[in-house]
Amino acid sequence: KQEVTQIPAALSVPEGENLVLNCSFTDSAIYNLQWFRQDPGKGLTSLLLIQSSQREQTSGRLNASLDKSSGRSTLYIAASQPGDSATYLCASPRIGKLIFGTGTRLQVFP
Amino acid sequence: DTEVTQTPKHLVMGMTNKKSLKCEQHMGHRAMYWYKQKAKKPPELMFVYSYEKLSINESVPSRFSPECPNSSLLNLHLHALQPEDSALYLCASSLSGGIPYEQYFGPGTRLTVT
Repeated sequence: KQEVTQIPAALSVPEGENLVLNCSFTDSAIYNLQWFRQDPGKGLTSLLLIQSSQREQTSGRLNASLDKSSGRSTLYIAASQPGDSATYLCASPRIGKLIFGTGTRLQVFP
Repeated sequence: DTEVTQTPKHLVMGMTNKKSLKCEQHMGHRAMYWYKQKAKKPPELMFVYSYEKLSINESVPSRFSPECPNSSLLNLHLHALQPEDSALYLCASSLSGGIPYEQYFGPGTRLTVT
């Protein structure tokens, strides 16, 4: 059974900092791993998807890495901005459905 | 266009009402999903449609009835709901249900049951 956890659960930082959000999964036989952003009361926005054959993906200030052997994925946010404030979720597919992590609530203050 | 639309944005209904949630995508995706999300929790899968056929039902109570009239449209019919069913209902789609392609989510419908 795949279990996905995220650390930290919450993070509050001043703008400009470089951030690392962690996602751990118990079953290393994953197909891919997807990172999402969710603003309060809104839907999920897909940020990055890393295939199992890839080690990392980049989009603008975001970089996601995947280490299947250690069961970990990391989302790196460079030069954080107040607009990055949201909940970040990682998810891995298992038998037709996404298994979501517990989420990291990020607040970036001016 | 990577957009999934959902209507209505907000819905308040009594326990004896019948209402429907609607989801639409025009990306040519053949898998569509309904999720339920409670506050400060991750989304929980309810149903999956693959090629317009129900492929996964996560033991959802029968007061929730999904329908997929065509490959672009997904409905969720609601009847005799309970206050604990109040939540954000999210729709998602992906290229196919058999292979775990990237899922795209709609903005959600905030449902309040009184």
